Amino acid sequence: EAGVVQSPRYKIIEKKQPVAFWCNPISGHNTLYWYLQNLGQGPELLIRYENEEAVDDSQLPKDRFSAERLKGVDSTLKIQPAELGDSAVYLCASSLSLLGEPNTGELFFGEGSRLTVL
Amino acid sequence: GNSVTQMEGPVTLSEEAFLTINCTYTATGYPSLFWYVQYPGEGLQLLLKATKADDKGSNKGFEATYRKETTSFHLEKGSVQVSDSAVYFCALRSNDYKLSFGAGTTVTVRA
Repeated sequence: EAGVVQSPRYKIIEKKQPVAFWCNPISGHNTLYWYLQNLGQGPELLIRYENEEAVDDSQLPKDRFSAERLKGVDSTLKIQPAELGDSAVYLCASSLSLLGEPNTGELFFGEGSRLTVL
Repeated sequence: GNSVTQMEGPVTLSEEAFLTINCTYTATGYPSLFWYVQYPGEGLQLLLKATKADDKGSNKGFEATYRKETTSFHLEKGSVQVSDSAVYFCALRSNDYKLSFGAGTTVTVRA
């Protein structure tokens, strides 16, 4: 079974340019998460979806960040315009429900998209 | 709010050494606790978990016990291998289902 797929793995852009990251969760997973991971720090939640509805976007900087999950499957995270401080790894994760996997509470993570803003 | 504090790294060990990574938490209610691991070039994956006080999670020779009285969930392994070199994250899932991570501890095991 395929895991969580993210693309691109690496992206280098100049500041003020737009950038988009794509995530395809594990088939059948209703809950999708976008996390931000700065160097040397743990992941921080940006937004959480239950199907196509954003149930928690309180940590998403809405002036420049946007996300969508139109059909409740794959999702796109966009930054426009990018700033130097946005350089980080953007992680996508999925689970069957808000509770995570029924027995473990586990979230399944993709490999991440590493953004460098010059 | 809810938060997780874990031991700063990096930690460098020799093979077969004993590993402990400290993790303490602050939370309201009764959180579930997790250890995730990130091997080089891979995504985060669940290592072990505990859902209530005195539960012990274990996997791949690693163990952690949910200690409510000390609000801790320390990770231990009695004899590490080179393949255990990774970044380890302690995490907490609160009553609102939000998963919060510690800063991560980089562990390097030398042959």
